[in-house]
Amino acid sequence: SQTIHQWPATLVQPVGSPLSLECTVEGTSNPNLYWYRQAAGRGLQLLFYSVGIGQISSEVPQNLSASRPQDRQFILSSKKLLLSDSGFYLCAWSVRLRGLSEQYFGPGTRLTVT
Amino acid sequence: AQTVTQSQPEMSVQEAETVTLSCTYDTSESDYYLFWYKQPPSRQMILVIRQEAYKQQNATENRFSVNFQKAAKSFSLKISDSQLGDAAMYFCAYRGNAGNMLTFGGGTRLMVKP
Repeated sequence: SQTIHQWPATLVQPVGSPLSLECTVEGTSNPNLYWYRQAAGRGLQLLFYSVGIGQISSEVPQNLSASRPQDRQFILSSKKLLLSDSGFYLCAWSVRLRGLSEQYFGPGTRLTVT
Repeated sequence: AQTVTQSQPEMSVQEAETVTLSCTYDTSESDYYLFWYKQPPSRQMILVIRQEAYKQQNATENRFSVNFQKAAKSFSLKISDSQLGDAAMYFCAYRGNAGNMLTFGGGTRLMVKP
């Protein structure tokens, strides 16, 4: 069976510090991978998605970046965090097929920028 | 661009009763997919039910069913025999046929009263 992991689960970082959130998927190959952000009491906003190693598409301009160094690894980074980067970050994966393919979400990372 | 609207920020239901959560969407596509996700206090996103737009029959999963009105671009979720464990945020999501990205609504917080 497939599983998706995210770490850390919670993170408190000062403004201006760097960020690295990691997401890994097990039990599947060549997944599509996604990063979402959820502000408090709000819906999910797609930040990045990837259809393969080194292939990253950005949906929202910001000071965040994403990388996919391995097939089942997706990393969200920032060189300098802003207060507005606080939120709940969710990683998700889906099979790379046309047609009905739902996304499966990880447990998330709660980021607080102070 | 597609948009998804959930007009009910909060809903409450008595245990064992039935509740309907509303969702409308805007799209110019004829073929697409719709989903309802549940986010309990743990914040793990869990897929509840899905619907292919080309299917006229409404999807059903145990106590969960949808009322899909394609012409009206409406996709409501009905929860029958509500249980305390149904208390959560519920998100409606849209996915076009050409890609894998989900567009989420703002969510509805469901409270279940014992």
